[in-house]
Amino acid sequence: DPKIIQKPKYLVAVTGSEKILICEQYLGHNAMYWYRQSAKKPLEFMFSYSYQKLMDNQTASSRFQPQSSKKNHLDLQITALKPDDSATYFCASSQDWGNTGQLYFGEGSKLTVL
Amino acid sequence: GDSVTQTEGLVTLTKGLPVMLNCTYQTTYSPFLFWYVQHLNEAPKLLLKSSTDNKRTEHQGFYATLHKSSSSFHLQKSSVQLSDSALYFCALSPSSNTNKVVFGTGTRLQVLP
Repeated sequence: DPKIIQKPKYLVAVTGSEKILICEQYLGHNAMYWYRQSAKKPLEFMFSYSYQKLMDNQTASSRFQPQSSKKNHLDLQITALKPDDSATYFCASSQDWGNTGQLYFGEGSKLTVL
Repeated sequence: GDSVTQTEGLVTLTKGLPVMLNCTYQTTYSPFLFWYVQHLNEAPKLLLKSSTDNKRTEHQGFYATLHKSSSSFHLQKSSVQLSDSALYFCALSPSSNTNKVVFGTGTRLQVLP
């Protein structure tokens, strides 16, 4: 069974709309992350959280807002969607932040913006 | 800044042949290096990791040696199988106060019968 659950798996949105990507991990990890993968770019780091606290933010646009209601949840709200936002968004986790340990990835949410 | 370079976008081989996927990196720190594998429509999964200079690390028939002198961490396998067809990412975690893992562009390995 997947230990990191991402919902939805696929979504289509229109330009200008807003979507929320859901991520829950059941590995007991303390750190969670968002990565983006598009046809043009490799796995691109976006955010890291540790115990629900934002640790790193590599996303220039404020249209991307992570939200952590619980230690094992890290959702990603994207507003004013653009076609360039089309990508697969991966949630990941690790035991702790900053210990250079293994990242565990969810299966991704593939977003298409028309 | 920290970066990872994978020079091959696509490598196509017949099964049973050896393979080497190139990975070089740049960082001012003493890093951890990783190889992740992503099969079609699946999540990336860790294949190998190392932080020890000149020590070979192995898993599932794949192996790699971190060479800090040349900033390289090439992935090798002596005999590829059809099931090895996947996207392989080299990744770097600088040994600093960050957990921001930087990934290379990935190399797609296609193994033919």
